[in-house]
Amino acid sequence: AQKITQTQPGMFVQEKEAVTLDCTYDTSDQSYGLFWYKQPSSGEMIFLIYQGSYDEQNATEGRYSLNFQKARKSANLVISASQLGDSAMYFCAMRENSGYSTLTFGKGTMLLVSP
Amino acid sequence: DTEVTQTPKHLVMGMTNKKSLKCEQHMGHRAMYWYKQKAKKPPELMFVYSYEKLSINESVPSRFSPECPNSSLLNLHLHALQPEDSALYLCASSQPGSSGNTIYFGEGSWLTVV
Repeated sequence: AQKITQTQPGMFVQEKEAVTLDCTYDTSDQSYGLFWYKQPSSGEMIFLIYQGSYDEQNATEGRYSLNFQKARKSANLVISASQLGDSAMYFCAMRENSGYSTLTFGKGTMLLVSP
Repeated sequence: DTEVTQTPKHLVMGMTNKKSLKCEQHMGHRAMYWYKQKAKKPPELMFVYSYEKLSINESVPSRFSPECPNSSLLNLHLHALQPEDSALYLCASSQPGSSGNTIYFGEGSWLTVV
């Protein structure tokens, strides 16, 4: 079974609008971390935001916020006021405490922002 | 700006060549990683070094040889590669262990094997 599921292969949004990128996860660990990364066509993998499994409040970083619903095992990324520079691939990822605690990625969502 | 630096940015090599990818971080992290990423796919873990010791090798072919000379440097030595090894190679670093430690990536090295 996939540990991270991103069901939207591609998303389109107009500049200045908000957009939500979906992510669901599966783990039996009680302690885990959820991450979102942005990857432009240049290739760099840019860390955006982190949510810990024990965090009671949703994480926010500037225009990025993470809508964390633990019971539903979802960790959606919300980008407010989209900009043209937000066009990129977005990956949801999870790091569990068990084993060597490596990062498991979803398949990604390609976001295109139009003027 | 990323604090994980990778060189070279682009590399074209023949199947008989020997080359190396280099990675450096100055965040005091004690875990370093190599990932391979093919087009339109998520990154795939290749190797993990923790406290300068190889802790994970994800069944990577021996034509890829990692090296961690010290806590700040990570190399990936390449020899007798195949065209299917052409990909983006990402280096990353973090503090080891805890799920709460963010893994930071470099800009990547685009490798083409001809």
